[in-house]
Amino acid sequence: EIVLTQSPGTLSLSPGERATLSCRASQSVSSSSLAWYQQKPGQAPRLLIYGASSRATGIPDRFSGSGSGTDFTLTISRLEPEDFAVYYCQQYGSSPPWTFGQGTKVEIK
Amino acid sequence: EVQLVESGGGLVQRGGSLRLSCAASGFTFSSYSMNWVRQAPGKGLEWVSYISSGSGTIYYADSVKGRFTISRDNAKNSLYLQMNSLRVEDTAVYYCARLIVAAGARSFDSWGQGTLVTVSS
Repeated sequence: EIVLTQSPGTLSLSPGERATLSCRASQSVSSSSLAWYQQKPGQAPRLLIYGASSRATGIPDRFSGSGSGTDFTLTISRLEPEDFAVYYCQQYGSSPPWTFGQGTKVEIK
Repeated sequence: EVQLVESGGGLVQRGGSLRLSCAASGFTFSSYSMNWVRQAPGKGLEWVSYISSGSGTIYYADSVKGRFTISRDNAKNSLYLQMNSLRVEDTAVYYCARLIVAAGARSFDSWGQGTLVTVSS
C-alpha cells in the first residue's frame, strides 16, 4: 500500500499570501495518478487537481499542482478568504487501495 | 448537473447491518465507475470500495473486506453499499464518488453530500 504523507499539518497564513502544500509518497507514483482535493467544514471534498498538474473544471488558476515520483506540491498563489480549508492528496495506483494523505489545514493567521 | 445523493445512514449497534444508497442523476450512470469513501468524525478521508461501470470489477479496502458489499443497479441509476458486522470504527460519513479518467488520469470528480453512519457499542 502506498502511504501519502502531507506536510505541514497546519499552515497559518494571511489572505493574499502564497501557500505551498507538500505530499510525499512512500513509493513512486505515476504523475497521472495524483490528485488534490479541497474540503470545507460540513462539505464534501471538491476535486482541484488531477494528473498532478491539471486543474479540474471551474478551478481558479491561482491553484497549481506540480511534482513527480514521490514528491508533489499544491500551490495557491494568493490566498482568497474562501481558500481556507483542508486539502488532501490522493494517489491512484494501477489497482486499489487508492490512498489519501492525512490532510493539510490552511487556516487564517 | 451531476448529482449524487446518499441515503440510508443512521445509528446501529455493533454487529448490526445497514444498506447505503446513492442516487445518481445528471449523467449517464452506466458509463462510470463508482466508489465509496468514508470519513470518521474529525479524521481524514478513507477510500472504501470501487465498482466498475458494468459491475465486472470490484475492490475493497482491507478494513471492510468480507463485511461490506458494493453493488449497483444501472437501470435505477443507483449505487449501494451493504454493510454487515459493523464495528465502532466504521462510524463515519460515507460519500459516494464518481471516478473519471481524463487524459489517462483518474480522479473523483463528483461527490455526494454524505450520509452519517454511527455504530454504537
